[in-house]
Amino acid sequence: QVQLQESGPGLVKPSETLSLTCAVSGYSISSGNYWAWIRQPPGKGLEWIATIFHSGSTYFNPSLKSRVTISVDTSNNLLSLKVTSVTAADTAVYYCAAIVVHTLQFDSWGQGSLVTVSS
Amino acid sequence: DIQMTQSPSTLSASVGDRVTITCRASQSISSYLAWYQQKPGKAPRLLIYKASSLESGVPSRFSGSGSGTEFTLTISSLQPDDFATYYCQHYSSYSPMYTFGQGTKLEIK
Repeated sequence: QVQLQESGPGLVKPSETLSLTCAVSGYSISSGNYWAWIRQPPGKGLEWIATIFHSGSTYFNPSLKSRVTISVDTSNNLLSLKVTSVTAADTAVYYCAAIVVHTLQFDSWGQGSLVTVSS
Repeated sequence: DIQMTQSPSTLSASVGDRVTITCRASQSISSYLAWYQQKPGKAPRLLIYKASSLESGVPSRFSGSGSGTEFTLTISSLQPDDFATYYCQHYSSYSPMYTFGQGTKLEIK
């Protein structure tokens, strides 16, 4: 069973860069699968941010593409997310998730990491 | 861009009721539709994929149907554990890109 754990600062100032890391255990990122970030503003719905394949192929939500970087560190089995020029609208719980290739669905999720954008 | 619209936004029902949630796509998405359940403070859980395929371990009282632009999630007999928020999700058939509906909150009547 894949396990994921997000980590990162809980508070980011406006205009700065939000950086999150997701530690993956129980499965080697380099073995395959897609990996994704999804976010959820407080009291609101889910928004897919980006997906990366273990080989490095990336896919982005068009509304966020210009500000988002997703990457994998196969040596340390880590998934990362960076969002630049953040505003209050980026305040959300950020989830990392594993995507099962045969269903293209989110099979395993982290517990979520709340990031607040405020000065 | 394809938009996903769920109805209703909130649904009040009682244990034992049969409930249906609808999800409409702004254009045809074939059967590339999934349903997730989310409880407060928890990550979402996959229930249905490919419009009607039940994810392993999901109770059989959950079912999905539809194709093209209109889809439904049906819970045949509500259990106390089913009160949660439900999201539909469109996914691309050829790349891992996703659009969620706005959610339907299922409340106890």
